[in-house]
Amino acid sequence: QVHLQESGPGLVKPSETLSLTCTVSGGSISSFYWNWVRQPAGKGLEWIGRIYTSGSTSYNPSLESRVTMSIDTSKKQFSLSLTSVTAADTAVYFCARAPQSIFDHWGQGTLVTVSA
Amino acid sequence: DIQMTQSPSSLSASVGDKVTITCQASQDITNYLNWYQHKPGKPPKLLIYDASNLQTGVPSRFHGSGSGTDFTFTINSLQPEDFATYFCHQYAILPFTFGPGTTVDIK
Repeated sequence: QVHLQESGPGLVKPSETLSLTCTVSGGSISSFYWNWVRQPAGKGLEWIGRIYTSGSTSYNPSLESRVTMSIDTSKKQFSLSLTSVTAADTAVYFCARAPQSIFDHWGQGTLVTVSA
Repeated sequence: DIQMTQSPSSLSASVGDKVTITCQASQDITNYLNWYQHKPGKPPKLLIYDASNLQTGVPSRFHGSGSGTDFTFTINSLQPEDFATYFCHQYAILPFTFGPGTTVDIK
């Protein structure tokens, strides 16, 4: 059974960098798109971007200037970095696997709060 | 970006009821639409892909239809484990976008 688990600090200070990692278990990391999605409290889901196992990326234009994604296939992990965070970046962050662009497995999400 | 709207935003229903949720895209997405179920503290679960295809292992009481800009998601004979939030997701054009969700709770 494929399992995705997000990890990283739950509290980040304004203007600093949010860094999260998603660890994949129970399945291959190869030949999939690996996505990050977030959901602020009381709001809808926002797609942040994706990375393929080759390392090629696509980002949401609304966040593109602040987002970097990377992948380490040997560790079966992929990561998100979001710079210059503000309170508006407070959200539950999900990672998700996508064969093509259908999100068939998700992590349970991790809450990241931006606060001094 | 393609805007996705869903209605209703919430509904109350009883076990055994038929529930219908609609999702509308701001432009033609052909059939590039998925439906997910989300319960608090759990990972979202893919139910329907490509507008009308049932994901493996998902009960047949879940049904999806539509194409272009208008889509419908139906639960036939609501079960206790179906009380959750449901959202649609378009993947026709980047950036991917999601509907705001429909919460189904117990009447």
